Amino acid sequence: EDQVTQSPEALRLQEGESSSLNCSYTVSGLRGLFWYRQDPGKGPEFLFTLYSAGEEKEKERLKATLTKKESFLHITAPKPEDSATYLCAVQASGTYKYIFGTGTRLKVLA
Amino acid sequence: DADVTQTPRNRITKTGKRIMLECSQTKGHDRMYWYRQDPGLGLRLIYYSFDVKDINKGEISDGYSVSRQAQAKFSLSLESAIPNQTALYFCATSDLQGRDVHFGDGTRLSIL
Repeated sequence: EDQVTQSPEALRLQEGESSSLNCSYTVSGLRGLFWYRQDPGKGPEFLFTLYSAGEEKEKERLKATLTKKESFLHITAPKPEDSATYLCAVQASGTYKYIFGTGTRLKVLA
Repeated sequence: DADVTQTPRNRITKTGKRIMLECSQTKGHDRMYWYRQDPGLGLRLIYYSFDVKDINKGEISDGYSVSRQAQAKFSLSLESAIPNQTALYFCATSDLQGRDVHFGDGTRLSIL
């Protein structure tokens, strides 16, 4: 069964304290892995798509990496405005549907 | 203006009532989706539509129906609402490859 597991469920960081969020997945063939940011009262906002193991993408303080079993979202020197829930989703080969993880709630303290 | 607009943003109603949630998009995407989000369960797919004549059930379609009125409009109906349908509902659109995905800001639905 295709599955996505995110950890930790919640994370509190001091401003400037770098860390990583994990997304582990099992899928019959990976078409793509997606990272989203979701703010309270808003829909998920697209951050990155990764397609193959070894691929990396960066945007400001965020860097996403992918292996054959998991993806990491690295946050370097986070700021309070990075506080949000980060969602991971996978798209399996032969389908256009997404399987979402339950997210990591990140709180960055000033 | 938002690329994906959902109405209403909030709705409180009673058990047994019929409810319609509406979604419109300006992305020009053919593919549209309805998800529900519950704490601890993540986003789950209710229905999806690849074009006006193509509608498919997702993983949790029981108790729901949809209508694709036009390329830009996709509505979700609860024929007889029940309390366990209380959730946050999201509409989304995507390109043909399912990679350029845009979500609306959601409808918070409470059924008493």
